Amino acid sequence: EDKVVQSPLSLVVHEGDTVTLNCSYEVTNFRSLLWYKQEKKAPTFLFMLTSSGIEKKSGRLSSILDKKELFSILNITATQTGDSAIYLCAVEANKSFYLIFGKGTKLSVKP
Amino acid sequence: DADVTQTPRNRITKTGKRIMLECSQTKGHDRMYWYRQDPGLGLRLIYYSFDVKDINKGEISDGYSVSRQAQAKFSLSLESAIPNQTALYFCATEPAWDTGELFFGEGSRLTVL
Repeated sequence: EDKVVQSPLSLVVHEGDTVTLNCSYEVTNFRSLLWYKQEKKAPTFLFMLTSSGIEKKSGRLSSILDKKELFSILNITATQTGDSAIYLCAVEANKSFYLIFGKGTKLSVKP
Repeated sequence: DADVTQTPRNRITKTGKRIMLECSQTKGHDRMYWYRQDPGLGLRLIYYSFDVKDINKGEISDGYSVSRQAQAKFSLSLESAIPNQTALYFCATEPAWDTGELFFGEGSRLTVL
């Protein structure tokens, strides 16, 4: 059975801290891994990763994939209160044609 | 206006009632999805459709049905609602060329008493 496991499930940090969110997966015929940010409403797309070792970066956020060890990390540097959200990891397999989501990591950034 | 619109945004109903959640999109995407989100469980796929004539069950389709009335419209029905269907429901779209990037509606919060 395909599955995606995120850790930690929740995290509280202070502004300025750096955080690392983890996503491991077991998927047959892996195709891609995606990260989404969910604030109060709809999830919004952050990154899609398909190749190992190639970092994707957007501002203070970055992500990398390790297809040998079957995991990805999402790093957020110099956190701000606006980074408070649920971060969702999802994986797409070649056979499934849809995304399988992890349970998410709830990040709270305190002033 | 939002590219992916869900109605109603909030609904409270009683056990046994029939409920329809509607989704319409102006993005011109062929692929549409219905997910439900429960606290601590992430997003789980209910049904998906790759075009008007294509409907597929997802991970948790029992108790739900869907209708793809047009490329832009995808409705989710609960024929006889039960309390454990209380959840936040999201509609999402994706281009036909399978980018993996989903575009979500704002969600429909359903409470079944």
